[in-house]
Amino acid sequence: GAVVSQHPSRVICKSGTSVKIECRSLDFQATTMFWYRQFPKQSLMLMATSNEGSKATYEQGVEKDKFLINHASLTLSTLTVTSAHPEDSSFYICSASGGGQYGYTFGSGTRLTVV
Amino acid sequence: ILNVEQSPQSLHVQEGDSTNFTCSFPSSNFYALHWYRWETAKSPEALFVMTLNGDEKKKGRISATLNTKEGYSYLYIKGSQPEDSATYLCAFPPTGNQFYFGTGTSLTVIP
Repeated sequence: GAVVSQHPSRVICKSGTSVKIECRSLDFQATTMFWYRQFPKQSLMLMATSNEGSKATYEQGVEKDKFLINHASLTLSTLTVTSAHPEDSSFYICSASGGGQYGYTFGSGTRLTVV
Repeated sequence: ILNVEQSPQSLHVQEGDSTNFTCSFPSSNFYALHWYRWETAKSPEALFVMTLNGDEKKKGRISATLNTKEGYSYLYIKGSQPEDSATYLCAFPPTGNQFYFGTGTSLTVIP
């Protein structure tokens, strides 16, 4: 079946540094990638939608200069958290359209801790 | 932001018991309702996509029903097994693309 590989699964970084999270579709072409984050005891919230070769669309309240999304190919999308702060500590997960029985396939998520 | 609610938040059942939980969503402008099963450190796994009022879908011991008029869906697990332990998420995409998720129901099946 369709698989989206997300790396790293867990990362701890120092405040002020940048962290890159990758999502790679392994056996299908992901025309659209969705990036979500989840704070403790809350639901997954959509941060941004990216289409291959074009600029990402960010949800209200999500800073595009802080969360850089690149979707340069049909199999790879990256989310870079720039100048991370402790309040950015969260669970980030991607979802790709174009694969899977129901059209959407999730990565396994990245737990980011900023210290 | 649309409100998608799941209850209960967590559930502990004995092996062999049957159980069910609820997803509530806005009943206007319905497009589809997705159920996912999410085990820790793994990708959420799609269980069902439900589109029609009165729909009932089944996958092994797991089944789901849908009421679009009143805005709810039930997920049932018959004869729960320890391997059913996971978080069950529902997602509501009002336009087909952007998903609004519930907070999930965390199920623990005690052997």
